[in-house]
Amino acid sequence: NAGVMQNPRHLVRRRGQEARLRCSPMKGHSHVYWYRQLPEEGLKFMVYLQKENIIDESGMPKERFSAEFPKEGPSILRIQQVVRGDSAAYFCASSLTRPETVSYEQYFGPGTRLTVT
Amino acid sequence: AQKVTQAQTEISVVEKEDVTLDCVYETRDTTYYLFWYKQPPSGELVFLIRRNSFDEQNEISGRYSWNFQKSTSSFNFTITASQVVDSAVYFCALSEADSSYKLIFGSGTRLLVRP
Repeated sequence: NAGVMQNPRHLVRRRGQEARLRCSPMKGHSHVYWYRQLPEEGLKFMVYLQKENIIDESGMPKERFSAEFPKEGPSILRIQQVVRGDSAAYFCASSLTRPETVSYEQYFGPGTRLTVT
Repeated sequence: AQKVTQAQTEISVVEKEDVTLDCVYETRDTTYYLFWYKQPPSGELVFLIRRNSFDEQNEISGRYSWNFQKSTSSFNFTITASQVVDSAVYFCALSEADSSYKLIFGSGTRLLVRP
């Protein structure tokens, strides 16, 4: 069973361009979470999605950032008009069950390192 | 407010030494979960352990052990007989029952094990 896949692993964008980060959850997982890790810091929660639904986007910046998890295909984190401060590692995690269940666990992908020049 | 503090920014030990990584958390909830993750130089996050607030039993897994003490709000992680492959950044994290999907991470402790 393949783990959580993220691509690209590294992404370089110039200021003002758009960045699209993809996350394919583990097989059978329908819960996806995005986190951001700024240099030398811990991960910060951004958004929790289920198929076709945004459950909690309280950690998403109000502007330029959006996320989706369509019925088919990977989850996408989209950053429009990137700025230098968006440079970070973006991690996706997925889970099989809902958070309330005893066996709940988030499995993390390898991350996408975004560099804005 | 929820918060996780890992006061040790960086620790350096010689191989075979024991090392303890500290984690102190703050939460108002009575039901919560604590985690440890390892981030090796390759960058991925590796799950090590999940603990719920009602289970204060210490856990041992090979060379790894965890000491959960509610009285001091701490969840410390000890590596016995450290090895070079243990070199990584280690993160402690907390989630609360009403939003248990939202992991709140500490800033991490970088462990360097020298041969």
